[in-house]
Amino acid sequence: QKEVEQDPGPLSVPEGAIVSLNCTYSNSAFQYFMWYRQYSRKGPELLMYTYSSGNKEDGRFTAQVDKSSKYISLFIRDSQPSDSATYLCAMSAYNTDKLIFGTGTRLQVFP
Amino acid sequence: NAGVTQTPKFQVLKTGQSMTLQCAQDMNHNSMYWYRQDPGMGLRLIYYSASEGTTDKGEVPNGYNVSRLNKREFSLRLESAAPSQTSVYFCASSAPNRGYNSPLHFGNGTRLTVT
Repeated sequence: QKEVEQDPGPLSVPEGAIVSLNCTYSNSAFQYFMWYRQYSRKGPELLMYTYSSGNKEDGRFTAQVDKSSKYISLFIRDSQPSDSATYLCAMSAYNTDKLIFGTGTRLQVFP
Repeated sequence: NAGVTQTPKFQVLKTGQSMTLQCAQDMNHNSMYWYRQDPGMGLRLIYYSASEGTTDKGEVPNGYNVSRLNKREFSLRLESAAPSQTSVYFCASSAPNRGYNSPLHFGNGTRLTVT
């Protein structure tokens, strides 16, 4: 079993929809949770970063962490065609350089 | 400000050939990393360097060697390429207080095919 599980998609939604992207994990030591966005033929770029449980909002993006369920989510409101990309979750334990990535979910937002 | 620059962007090798992937960053970051990305496998760490002069193995180091040439440059060498090393290779760097407070900054990758 992988430490981090992520549905590969693709997820196809109309412009303006609310998108929910999710990851589950098995290692209870994970404390730091990140979402990276990767456009085609590009490197990943950091989108959201959260520590421990709770919510974090940044514009149209909200990251949620539920450590009791070992489940993290990224919500995108009012999705735009420019949001079409692969979204990678990543997480790490405290005081470690080791960052574990999910396999990524491909999102397509059509006009 | 270029960020993380990787060369070459594409490469085709025959089995048994060798090559070096180059990476340079201009953000004064201490830590640098090499990942490979394969369909269904996500990003997997090959090697990393926490600071100039140090390197450590990651999750999938077999078949690779690295050199941290200076603070800016971190190269990845395939001594005898195998078809299983066909992948997209990403170099990344992070700020001095690496760990969890510092995001990884990625280059745009080298797409390698080994026939």
